[in-house]
Amino acid sequence: EIVLTQSPGTLSLSPGERATLSCRASQSVSSSHLAWYQQRPGQAPKLLIYGASSRATGIPDRFSGSGSGTDFTLTIGRLEPEDFAVYYCQQYGRSLTFGGGTKVEIK
Amino acid sequence: QEQLVQSGPEVRKPGASVKVSCKASGYTFTDYYMHWVRQAPGQGLEWMGIINSGGSSTHYAQQFQGRVTMTRDTSTATVYMELSSLRSDDTAFYYCAREGGFDLNLWGQGTLVTVS
Repeated sequence: EIVLTQSPGTLSLSPGERATLSCRASQSVSSSHLAWYQQRPGQAPKLLIYGASSRATGIPDRFSGSGSGTDFTLTIGRLEPEDFAVYYCQQYGRSLTFGGGTKVEIK
Repeated sequence: QEQLVQSGPEVRKPGASVKVSCKASGYTFTDYYMHWVRQAPGQGLEWMGIINSGGSSTHYAQQFQGRVTMTRDTSTATVYMELSSLRSDDTAFYYCAREGGFDLNLWGQGTLVTVS
């Protein structure tokens, strides 16, 4: 099973700042099999990025994904108030696994 | 619009079973595989398994094999997840999610199952 490790666990930033979230895989993941989700309190997760770098429908362009192999990154260009949430990476090879999540909180 | 609507909260005693439903609308139900994901309170996401578009094939995460059964009813566009031999650590929100290829692009609102 591929293990995804997200860092940092918590990111404390102010609105308008840039957020950089990391997702590291225990073995190589095809870029097409890597996705990112946002989960706000009390809500279901929402797909942000698929195929490592493609934004899902309706996702603002301040969200971008990059990376390949074992290292992937989600970047939020300028944090808006609604972006403070928990973010999960996910891979889907022989089975599907999620990272442990990064909480982006208001500093 | 496309949506997945799940059944309401459930309370069960240890050792019992629970069956959660997820009704799809707004898209062609038989075109998509469906997954189940759970989330214990304050914890991360845990994948449980998948059922194919016709309901003929399932694949469960190893930690749930023998305890989980996923089914689907194409006549009502509904998928089901049944979990048996419930323990207190099965207390969680259970989500159905539609597969979009290698991602989950549509999620239900979640069903809280409490084991106590």
